[in-house]
Amino acid sequence: KQEVTQIPAALSVPEGENLVLNCSFTDSAIYNLQWFRQDPGKGLTSLLLIQSSQREQTSGRLNASLDKSSGRSTLYIAASQPGDSATYLCAVQSYNTDKLIFGTGTRLQVFP
Amino acid sequence: NAGVTQTPKFQVLKTGQSMTLQCAQDMNHEYMSWYRQDPGMGLRLIHYSVGAGITDQGEVPNGYNVSRSTTEDFPLRLLSAAPSQTSVYFCASSYRTSGFSNEQFFGPGTRLTVL
Repeated sequence: KQEVTQIPAALSVPEGENLVLNCSFTDSAIYNLQWFRQDPGKGLTSLLLIQSSQREQTSGRLNASLDKSSGRSTLYIAASQPGDSATYLCAVQSYNTDKLIFGTGTRLQVFP
Repeated sequence: NAGVTQTPKFQVLKTGQSMTLQCAQDMNHEYMSWYRQDPGMGLRLIHYSVGAGITDQGEVPNGYNVSRSTTEDFPLRLLSAAPSQTSVYFCASSYRTSGFSNEQFFGPGTRLTVL
C-alpha cells in the first residue's frame, strides 16, 4: 500500500530564503507525482506534475525533482516571499491503481 | 472555462439526513474523484470514476454513494449523515493518458457540518 509522508509538517522562514520541502513515498512504482498549493479555506492549486520518466520540472521560482529509486521528491522554492505562505501537498499516483495518494502537507509561513 | 465547480459551499445537516454534493467540470475530463480533508489526516479518496457509467471505491467509501451518468457531472450522495462525516469535501478531475490520470484540477470545496 502506497504511503506518502511530508516532512516537516510546518516551516517558518524569513523572506528571501531558499526552501526545500520534502515528500517521501513507499512504493517506487509510480506513474506521476504532483505538487499542490492550498491556501487557508481554499481548494488545491496544481503547481507541478512530474511524470515517472522525468527527473525534474520547473515553473518560475519553483523546481520539483523526483528520485523514484529512493522514493523521494523535493520542491525547491527560490527567494521565498510572504505570498508563498500556504500549505504544500504532494500526491502520488501508482502504476497499479487509478488512485491519487496524498501526503499530509507542509504548512509554510514566510514572514517579512 | 469554469473548471471544476462544487455546490453548495457550506452545508449543515442533522444526523440521519441525506444530501447530495454536486460536482461538475467543463474540461471534458474522463477522470473525476471525491476527497475528504480532515485535520491531521490529509486528503483521503472517497470514490472515483474513469468515465461515464464507471465508478469505483477509494480509501473511505462507507456512507457515500456516487454515480456518473455524464462526463461532466459526478455527484456525491450522503445516505444518512453522521457526525463523523463532518469534513471538507473536494472534487477533482483530470484527463487520462494510457489508462492513467494526469494533472488533477480541484474544485473550491464544500464544508459540511453534521450535528
